[in-house]
Amino acid sequence: EAGVAQSPRYKIIEKRQSVAFWCNPISGHATLYWYQQILGQGPKLLIQFQNNGVVDDSQLPKDRFSAERLKGVDSTLKIQPAKLEDSAVYLCASSRFTTGELFFGEGSRLTVL
Amino acid sequence: KQEVTQIPAALSVPEGENLVLNCSFTDSAIYNLQWFRQDPGKGLTSLLLIQSSQREQTSGRLNASLDKSSGRSTLYIAASQPGDSATYLCAVFSSGGSYIPTFGRGTSLIVHP
Repeated sequence: EAGVAQSPRYKIIEKRQSVAFWCNPISGHATLYWYQQILGQGPKLLIQFQNNGVVDDSQLPKDRFSAERLKGVDSTLKIQPAKLEDSAVYLCASSRFTTGELFFGEGSRLTVL
Repeated sequence: KQEVTQIPAALSVPEGENLVLNCSFTDSAIYNLQWFRQDPGKGLTSLLLIQSSQREQTSGRLNASLDKSSGRSTLYIAASQPGDSATYLCAVFSSGGSYIPTFGRGTSLIVHP
């Protein structure tokens, strides 16, 4: 069974530029999460989807971050414009249902200069 | 709001020692608790998932216990090996509402030969 796929693995941009990350969850997993992990900290939830609906986005900085999961499968997270403090690893995770075991992708490391 | 604390933050031990990593949480109304390991520059790998009705789970040299009433989980690693060196994180699925997984900051483990 293929795992959670994420791309790109690494991205370097200058502040005020935009960036997009893509995630393809494990086949059949209805729940998809985007987490932000700053070096030395635990992952912080940005947004949780159940199929193509948003369950929680209370910690998503909506003035610059957006995410979508249009067909209830893969998802895109966008940052526009980026700030220095957005430098982090963006992790995508999926689970079969909302209380199921979480599986993570390798992450996308963003550096904002 | 659920808060998760992991102690110690870092641990360095010689090979062969038995280890205990701690995870505590403030709201005992949880559905699941999941332990992960994270290698440098990688995503999170699932180790064990404990449901709230369970007291412990075992996988190879790993044993995780859960005491909901005291808000604690421990991860026991038997006969540690250098390959166990990684950061270990716990995630708590709170049972009120949307079952959002909340992470601790992790315990960074180094096992030296």
